[in-house]
Amino acid sequence: EAGVTQFPSHSVIEKGQTVTLRCDPISGHDNLYWYRRVMGKEIKFLLHFVKESKQDESGMPNNRFLAERTGGTYSTLKVQPAELEDSGVYFCASSQPGLAGGNEQFFGPGTRLTVL
Amino acid sequence: GQSLEQPSEVTAVEGAIVQINCTYQTSGFYGLSWYQQHDGGAPTFLSYNALDGLEETGRFSSFLSRSDSYGYLLLQELQMKDSASYFCAVVTNAGKSTFGDGTTLTVKP
Repeated sequence: EAGVTQFPSHSVIEKGQTVTLRCDPISGHDNLYWYRRVMGKEIKFLLHFVKESKQDESGMPNNRFLAERTGGTYSTLKVQPAELEDSGVYFCASSQPGLAGGNEQFFGPGTRLTVL
Repeated sequence: GQSLEQPSEVTAVEGAIVQINCTYQTSGFYGLSWYQQHDGGAPTFLSYNALDGLEETGRFSSFLSRSDSYGYLLLQELQMKDSASYFCAVVTNAGKSTFGDGTTLTVKP
């Protein structure tokens, strides 16, 4: 069974540009999460989808970040316009349906974003 | 909101036992999970506790005390490959996971 995949693996953009990150969860996983890790610090929660609905987006830093999950399958995270402080590794994770599924999340390899 | 505390660094020798503690403050607590991350790669799930007590999975065990808002990850028979970052994560009954800052474990020969 394929794991969580993310694209691209690396992205280098200039301040003010737009970048879209993609996450393909494990098939059948209703729960999809986005996280960010900056400078080797904590894995910071961004948001949580249940199917196509945003269950919790309290971690989204500001309105420059937009996440979508049309059809409840893959998800995209768009940063527009990108700022220097947006640099970091963006992880996507998915888990089985239901509340208990949140206890065991399967992470993708991450997208390393560098904003110059 | 949620907050977690775990040590930033731990060092141990091969074959030893190490315990990584995690204390948390949260509302709507559902469970405590542990993840391992090597060199910035994808975090991988290790263990989960929803009830008080010890859960054992091979060389790794995890403990939870809900009344003390405290848990730990116990690693036995340490191997060099266990050198990694270890994160505790609180899961709330709304399905949200909040991760600690991580503990960097260094295993020495």
